[in-house]
Amino acid sequence: EAQVTQNPRYLITVTGKKLTVTCSQNMNHEYMSWYRQDPGLGLRQIYYSMNVEVTDKGDVPEGYKVSRKEKRNFPLILESPSPNQTSLYFCASSLWGRNTGELFFGEGSRLTVL
Amino acid sequence: SQQGEEDPQALSIQEGENATMNCSYKTSINNLQWYRQNSGRGLVHLILIRSNEREKHSGRLRVTLDTSKKSSSLLITASRAADTASYFCATDSGSARQLTFGSGTQLTVLP
Repeated sequence: EAQVTQNPRYLITVTGKKLTVTCSQNMNHEYMSWYRQDPGLGLRQIYYSMNVEVTDKGDVPEGYKVSRKEKRNFPLILESPSPNQTSLYFCASSLWGRNTGELFFGEGSRLTVL
Repeated sequence: SQQGEEDPQALSIQEGENATMNCSYKTSINNLQWYRQNSGRGLVHLILIRSNEREKHSGRLRVTLDTSKKSSSLLITASRAADTASYFCATDSGSARQLTFGSGTQLTVLP
């Protein structure tokens, strides 16, 4: 089954404690992206990757890091989480090319930073 | 920055009625997509319309695109309680960042 898998789905942590949200897709997609969703603000892109070892900033990259060492994985790293990073996070993937197709989303990771 | 803006922000209708949501955007696009999100879940792709298309259908969904007005509409016919969800438009402007999402319309279908 084609899917994007995120872990953990729910996490409560404290300010400053490094954490990683993993994302894995099994569709051999080149493109992967992280979004955060906050009430009234829709989805805002954090980082994206067009292929292995190619990453770039989205709209709200501050406080986040990513890596793309393998095609299927695109972890989101919060080196020193702060309360304003409390949010619902989504990873998504798609084929990359001139005819941009649909994005496939994970089920989301709800993060609370105390 | 957000490219698409949906209107209305919230819509409540009775089961069996049609629901229309609108999306406006600012820059030229390659295509526009609509997504659905059940509460707290991941977004699911509904339909894609390319910039050279004016109308597209998929089941009970009808999407129109007016590139001169930089706007799109999503019509859900004969709505069901299960259609209750948030609906987002997303624009592909051909940049490396791919899709840019609007803030969504919350649709409630009352049984």
